[in-house]
Amino acid sequence: SAVISQKPSRDICQRGTSLTIQCQVDSQVTMMFWYRQQPGQSLTLIATANQGSEATYESGFVIDKFPISRPNLTFSTLTVSNMSPEDSSIYLCSVAGARGETQYFGPGTRLLVL
Amino acid sequence: AQTVTQSQPEMSVQEAETVTLSCTYDTSESDYYLFWYKQPPSRQMILVIRQEAYKQQNATENRFSVNFQKAAKSFSLKISDSQLGDAAMYFCAYRSAWAGRGGSNYKLTFGKGTLLTVNP
Repeated sequence: SAVISQKPSRDICQRGTSLTIQCQVDSQVTMMFWYRQQPGQSLTLIATANQGSEATYESGFVIDKFPISRPNLTFSTLTVSNMSPEDSSIYLCSVAGARGETQYFGPGTRLLVL
Repeated sequence: AQTVTQSQPEMSVQEAETVTLSCTYDTSESDYYLFWYKQPPSRQMILVIRQEAYKQQNATENRFSVNFQKAAKSFSLKISDSQLGDAAMYFCAYRSAWAGRGGSNYKLTFGKGTLLTVNP
């Protein structure tokens, strides 16, 4: 399985600001996914990020709020824009190969918005 | 849309004993994948086991095994010889076998999780 790192591991932010989360993989992967895990909840997919194309967003998530970049096959960023306390969550990236059989997760970014 | 249900919010087991976590799912697809992930207090999501729907044989990984009943849409996880390190939140997840646009159908749909406590 790939080694996945995320930066920052945690952050405390003020409402109205934006935070960019980085996801780095030690090998080239076709698909990357961004999930949100609200406190005490399960994981919900925000978007699928493929290199060379725009991210595909799930219902309830929009590009203006969660812009995503995927400049190459080992790196992606998720920005949480104009944050409010409701954005306080753990944000996780995951990766999968071309056939996407199994997803492996990064360690997550714990975000608290005050 | 697919749904995944874990009816046991919490379970406990004595160290060295066996415990079974339940998961049911709803789908109209015939080909898909099912997973169990564990999330310890560190919050890292760790893959425990994977099952392909087209395989009748139940998957096993050391002390972890599944009971996959496709007709009943049931996918339970059995942990044998439970260890203190098994204590975690366990999530059952579903994934379609079909890619969809840009692989978006490869997303994982998770259940709400079962918190497993292992008592010494």
